[in-house]
Amino acid sequence: DAGITQSPRHKVTETGTPVTLRCHQTENHRYMYWYRQDPGHGLRLIHYSYGVKDTDKGEVSDGYSVSRSKTEDFLLTLESATSSQTSVYFCAISETHPINEQYFGPGTRLTVT
Amino acid sequence: AQSVTQLDSQVPVFEEAPVELRCNYSSSVSVYLFWYVQYPNQGLQLLLKYLSGSTLVKGINGFEAEFNKSQTSFHLRKPSVHISDTAEYFCAATSNTGNQFYFGTGTSLTVIP
Repeated sequence: DAGITQSPRHKVTETGTPVTLRCHQTENHRYMYWYRQDPGHGLRLIHYSYGVKDTDKGEVSDGYSVSRSKTEDFLLTLESATSSQTSVYFCAISETHPINEQYFGPGTRLTVT
Repeated sequence: AQSVTQLDSQVPVFEEAPVELRCNYSSSVSVYLFWYVQYPNQGLQLLLKYLSGSTLVKGINGFEAEFNKSQTSFHLRKPSVHISDTAEYFCAATSNTGNQFYFGTGTSLTVIP
């Protein structure tokens, strides 16, 4: 299994509070991605990174920001959480793009009350 | 932009029966196609991928898929399913000019004893 961990694995927070999710990899892969998974929508890309300090938006980036200061860590921040951001968040990594597979982390279940 | 359509949201099938999960994509450029499986409370893992060459692709756990360019389809098949195949299956696509993966909404396969 690819070395990807996500923390926390579960979080309940209140509307309006900031939340940061962490993805950590031990594979030294260049590309990292954040997705959210919702019933009826499958996986939708939030942000991705193609190197340290190099990030770009995905299709559902509003309300989210990311940072990547080291190869191994990719942080996803919800500046002011809303109930619509209740979801399961997956981090993925890829050695190259686009033809190599993505390896997924175990997911973080976030509930915003 | 590319889109991926999984035509069936739920597929129930009896154990040892064959199954086909359907996937169609829209693209006017060279395309790379993937099938991922997600077991309950886990991340996604790659079943198989099509990059080029033979249109029949074999993957893990006895699954195979056929790339059909004229019908823009990439259907997943297994000749005889097991209880352990019960999971969510996602079709995904990207291209050599793209920087994102696009996932379908998923097909929930339930194998009935």
